[in-house]
Amino acid sequence: EPEVTQTPSHQVTQMGQEVILRCVPISNHLYFYWYRQILGQKVEFLVSFYNNEISEKSEIFDDQFSVERPDGSNFTLKIRSTKLEDSAMYFCASSGTGRNSPLHFGNGTRLTVT
Amino acid sequence: DQQVKQNSPSLSVQEGRISILNCDYTNSMFDYFLWYKKYPAEGPTFLISISSIKDKNEDGRFTVFLNKSAKHLSLHIVPSQPGDSAVYFCAASNNAGNMLTFGGGTRLMVKP
Repeated sequence: EPEVTQTPSHQVTQMGQEVILRCVPISNHLYFYWYRQILGQKVEFLVSFYNNEISEKSEIFDDQFSVERPDGSNFTLKIRSTKLEDSAMYFCASSGTGRNSPLHFGNGTRLTVT
Repeated sequence: DQQVKQNSPSLSVQEGRISILNCDYTNSMFDYFLWYKKYPAEGPTFLISISSIKDKNEDGRFTVFLNKSAKHLSLHIVPSQPGDSAVYFCAASNNAGNMLTFGGGTRLMVKP
């Protein structure tokens, strides 16, 4: 069964550094998402991406965050200057047709900011 | 943000019996609801969904019930199996877009 893959599985970085989290969505999917889960808290929506542009974003997704689909397969989340509170599991997801189409999640990247 | 709540942090059930996981929501604009299962070190895995135009959806051992007037949905697993032991999340979205709002999760333990 096709799956969403994320790399790396664990990323450790120092506060203030830039990180790029990478995702390969399911190949025929059109909608792409980033969610995060801080330890002990709920899974939270960050951003959705369709047709090469952001379609929705949450309050969490401020100017420190950006997303890109640099080629036909990868989908990346960049955090420009990491803060301690950015430490979380970051999940990439994709869906086929958008509305009322279930999201398929990757296994996540654990980001640790020291 | 408490728009989607799962009030039971954990549930323990004997193998073969029914597991009932509950979820409440407050946003009346939600019109699509999903259940996800999550094992440690993995991402959420889609289980089953229901649109607000229905009150029940069934897929094998899994049935989701939606009570719109009570703003309540439940997931029934019958019969429960030890491999069902995981954290279960309910999630909801509204007709304005695809953003999912998640509940806090319920840890299900199915004892052999």
